[in-house]
Amino acid sequence: QKEVEQNSGPLSVPEGAIASLNCTYSDRGSQSFFWYRQYSGKSPELIMSIYSNGDKEDGRFTAQLNKASQYVSLLIRDSQPSDSATYLCAPTQYGNKLVFGAGTILRVKS
Amino acid sequence: GAGVSQSPRYKVAKRGQDVALRCDPISGHVSLFWYQQALGQGPEFLTYFQNEAQLDKSGLPSDRFFAERPEGSVSTLKIQRTQQEDSAVYLCASTSSSGGPDTQYFGPGTRLTVL
Repeated sequence: QKEVEQNSGPLSVPEGAIASLNCTYSDRGSQSFFWYRQYSGKSPELIMSIYSNGDKEDGRFTAQLNKASQYVSLLIRDSQPSDSATYLCAPTQYGNKLVFGAGTILRVKS
Repeated sequence: GAGVSQSPRYKVAKRGQDVALRCDPISGHVSLFWYQQALGQGPEFLTYFQNEAQLDKSGLPSDRFFAERPEGSVSTLKIQRTQQEDSAVYLCASTSSSGGPDTQYFGPGTRLTVL
């Protein structure tokens, strides 16, 4: 079992729709959770961070965390073609190192 | 201020050559991380520095990989006797935190191709 599991996709949504990205993790000791976006050929850039159970909203993005279920998700409302990228889920482990999933490819069709 | 910078951006090496990859973190950032990203995969942790101290090198794939940060700022990742499986993008990230949760800012990466 991988430490961080994500559906590889591609996840295709029409422009203006809600995109839902999911992630499960195995380390119950993880305390901090990050979502990074990575465009092809570029480095990861932070979208959201979440540390407590529940929802956290920032503009069109909402992160959801359920530590009991070891599950974290990212919702993107009003999806735009510019949101097309790979989304990486990354819980932290001891020493603040990030453990990344393989990423979900999102395609927003105009 | 400037972000994390890495050099070179691209490196082609013949199998068996040694390479050195450089990372300049954001000024004042205490923690520095190296990750390796293979094509189609997420980044994988290699090693972590807090100032000049290498606190975790558990992700280094073999003893051919060596990292240093002698003055607590610039870091170099060295790979000796490169192999084809070393071909990947090497990412450096820094954060101002010395241990708590904090955003890691990534550099543009160095794409290493071993022929």
